Amino acid sequence: AQRVTQPEKLLSVFKGAPVELKCNYSYSGSPELFWYVQYSRQRLQLLLRHISRESIKGFTADLNKGETSFHLKKPFAQEEDSAMYYCALKTSYDKVIFGPGTSLSVIP
Amino acid sequence: DVKVTQSSRYLVKRTGEKVFLECVQDMDHENMFWYRQDPGLGLRLIYFSYDVKMKEKGDIPEGYSVSREKKERFSLILESASTNQTSMYLCASTLGRINQPQHFGDGTRLSIL
Repeated sequence: AQRVTQPEKLLSVFKGAPVELKCNYSYSGSPELFWYVQYSRQRLQLLLRHISRESIKGFTADLNKGETSFHLKKPFAQEEDSAMYYCALKTSYDKVIFGPGTSLSVIP
Repeated sequence: DVKVTQSSRYLVKRTGEKVFLECVQDMDHENMFWYRQDPGLGLRLIYFSYDVKMKEKGDIPEGYSVSREKKERFSLILESASTNQTSMYLCASTLGRINQPQHFGDGTRLSIL
């Protein structure tokens, strides 16, 4: 079965501290993985995708196929990072499923 | 810039009514999706479509149907609305190619009384 899990519903960190948002997936095929972010009163938008191996707004994520994980990391959290973060899996059949989301709160 | 437009931001309907939620995208995307977003549950896929007149059930299709008569438009239909369908509904579209991200609309907050 295809599934995305994000174990933390809420995550609070202090400004300047490192942050890691966990994502694990279950899929027997070759996955495409994404992180989406939703800031307060804004629409959901792409943050980054695994294939690009890019750093966006200081965030990075590495696909670990052995652990079936795609954790999102940032070395120094900023107040503007406070938002809802969703990990998403795209299957070979173009179906896209999301995890339950993690609400990140950065404390000044 | 891709634009995904949902016809209503807020909608209030009564139990038993037939409800239509409309979504239009302007970038000739092949794939379109309907999700509902609930606190603690994230986005759950209701239906998606990979071409005109083609549709696939998502994880929670019960009580819903969809229509895609034109490539740019994807409609979600609540056949007989019930209170447990009160939610935020999000539409998304994407190119039907590898590694393409989804583009989302602003959402429709639907309340069923």
